[in-house]
Amino acid sequence: AQSVSQHNHHVILSEAASLELGCNYSYGGTVNLFWYVQYPGQHLQLLLKYFSGDPLVKGIKGFEAEFIKSKFSFNLRKPSVQWSDTAEYFCAVNGVDSSYKLIFGSGTRLLVRP
Amino acid sequence: DVKVTQSSRYLVKRTGEKVFLECVQDMDHENMFWYRQDPGLGLRLIYFSYDVKMKEKGDIPEGYSVSREKKERFSLILESASTNQTSMYLCASSLHRANYGYTFGSGTRLTVV
Repeated sequence: AQSVSQHNHHVILSEAASLELGCNYSYGGTVNLFWYVQYPGQHLQLLLKYFSGDPLVKGIKGFEAEFIKSKFSFNLRKPSVQWSDTAEYFCAVNGVDSSYKLIFGSGTRLLVRP
Repeated sequence: DVKVTQSSRYLVKRTGEKVFLECVQDMDHENMFWYRQDPGLGLRLIYFSYDVKMKEKGDIPEGYSVSREKKERFSLILESASTNQTSMYLCASSLHRANYGYTFGSGTRLTVV
């Protein structure tokens, strides 16, 4: 069965600090990987996604993620966070041969202090 | 932009009531999903549907059922609401396979008292 682990449940950073949120998945086959973000009071939005090709994926708002197949990881990074990045971040995986379902991690709440 | 609209933002229901949560999407997506979101647990899949009148159980279907009579509408039904079903419910839709990503609704926060 697929599963996704996000080890950091709460992260607190000051503005301009660098961010890295961990995501590991468990799945034996080919995967598609996603990061979603949920700003306070808003709906979930797609931040970035990986299907194939270059393992370094760039998304919106300066975020990027790197797929490391050997480590089953898809960590999210941002060189310099802003107060407006305060949100909850979810990693998700879709096994290519399971077609329809996205399996989500438990989420990481990021608080950026001005 | 695709819109996924959930009919209620907040609901308060009594234990034992039958509850309907409605979701409508406007971009002809084949797939629709219901998740519940709880602190520390992330999003857990309740049911999904990949076509009209088709449905499949997700990871936590117990106590829930669904209905998809039209392509654009996917309803979640709590047959007899219980307090442990107090949660945020999220509807999502996707085009074809999930590798296109989902579009989410704003959520319905259900409180069962």
